[in-house]
Amino acid sequence: DAKTTQPNSMESNEEEPVHLPCNHSTISGTDYIHWYRQLPSQGPEYVIHGLTSNVNNRMASLAIAEDRKSSTLILHRATLRDAAVYYCILRDWKTSGSRLTFGEGTQLTVNP
Amino acid sequence: SAVISQKPSRDICQRGTSLTIQCQVDSQVTMMFWYRQQPGQSLTLIATANQGSEATYESGFVIDKFPISRPNLTFSTLTVSNMSPEDSSIYLCSVSSGRVTDTQYFGPGTRLTVL
Repeated sequence: DAKTTQPNSMESNEEEPVHLPCNHSTISGTDYIHWYRQLPSQGPEYVIHGLTSNVNNRMASLAIAEDRKSSTLILHRATLRDAAVYYCILRDWKTSGSRLTFGEGTQLTVNP
Repeated sequence: SAVISQKPSRDICQRGTSLTIQCQVDSQVTMMFWYRQQPGQSLTLIATANQGSEATYESGFVIDKFPISRPNLTFSTLTVSNMSPEDSSIYLCSVSSGRVTDTQYFGPGTRLTVL
């Protein structure tokens, strides 16, 4: 699986937007970009995924660079409940099927 | 969506013993996985639980240490055998339909402490 690089930690203030970056310079044409997050003492939960185009859902937006070598998860208005570890994961539909390979992720702290 | 329950939610065990963790899903699913999360670390995939056949283990994990059963499409067990303190981790079950674009759902985890 192609590797992703994320900052170890980030901080935000409540009700402000948060931009979580992810670098994946070795991404292949068959890699989907997935984001999961893990709240304290819980299993990971799905946030969003995309292939080439930017994506929006009720939780977040995913901005994908034109060359697909990086992406950014955008939380439009951070809440205290958004404090979690955010994982950027590449999933190659041709080889890895449903497997998720987790990196170290970004620990997001949200300040009141 | 899928709702996943795990039993036990936590346990404290003595070294040399074994513990079996159960994973129950509220609907039939194609894929079931077992992950380990060591203290302060990210998740590592242990194996894919295959219905009706032997599990597929990732590099570094073996069947003798982590035997897995999957008798049907809604249930799986993971046994941690001959435990040592290094096995102290959170063990998580997850499921998906098998399509790469589909969401993978995770259970709440089983927190294991080995003394």
